[in-house]
Amino acid sequence: EAQVTQNPRYLITVTGKKLTVTCSQNMNHEYMSWYRQDPGLGLRQIYYSMNVEVTDKGDVPEGYKVSRKEKRNFPLILESPSPNQTSLYFCASRDLGELFFGEGSRLTVL
Amino acid sequence: KNQVEQSPQSLIILEGKNCTLQCNYTVSPFSNLRWYKQDTGRGPVSLTIMTFSENTKSNRRYTATLDADTKQSSLHITASQLSDSASYICVVKFSGGYNKLIFGAGTRLAVHP
Repeated sequence: EAQVTQNPRYLITVTGKKLTVTCSQNMNHEYMSWYRQDPGLGLRQIYYSMNVEVTDKGDVPEGYKVSRKEKRNFPLILESPSPNQTSLYFCASRDLGELFFGEGSRLTVL
Repeated sequence: KNQVEQSPQSLIILEGKNCTLQCNYTVSPFSNLRWYKQDTGRGPVSLTIMTFSENTKSNRRYTATLDADTKQSSLHITASQLSDSASYICVVKFSGGYNKLIFGAGTRLAVHP
């Protein structure tokens, strides 16, 4: 089954404790991206990757890092999480303009 | 400024009734417009895509329209079902850049029995 898989789905952490949200897709898509979704603001792009070893900032990249060492994986790294990064995060891959989203990762930073 | 605005922000209708969601955009140059459905706690899923030359496209009980002159799109849901309860997100793509998608904030639809 074609899918985008994120882990963990739910996470509660404390300020400053580094965490990584993994994302993997099995559709051989070159383009992958990360979004955060907050009430009333809709989806906002954090980072995107056009291909392996090619990443670029989206609209809200501050406080986040990404890497793209393999085509299928695109992890999101929060080096020192802060409460304002509490949000619902979505990873997506893209083909012919259509986005395929993961199920989301709900992160709470205390 | 390139923006996508959706209305209403939220909507409650009774099962079996029809409804129409609106999407107005100022994105230029325009490439295409997609409607996504996002069930609570799930990732968005594409419903339909509208290109510049298309006026109307149907997908089961969903009908999307596009007026490229007025930069407006609508999503009409016919004979609503409880499973239509979700957020509907309008996403517009630039024609000039591979990456750039502009997201609307979504309309939250609740269908009550």
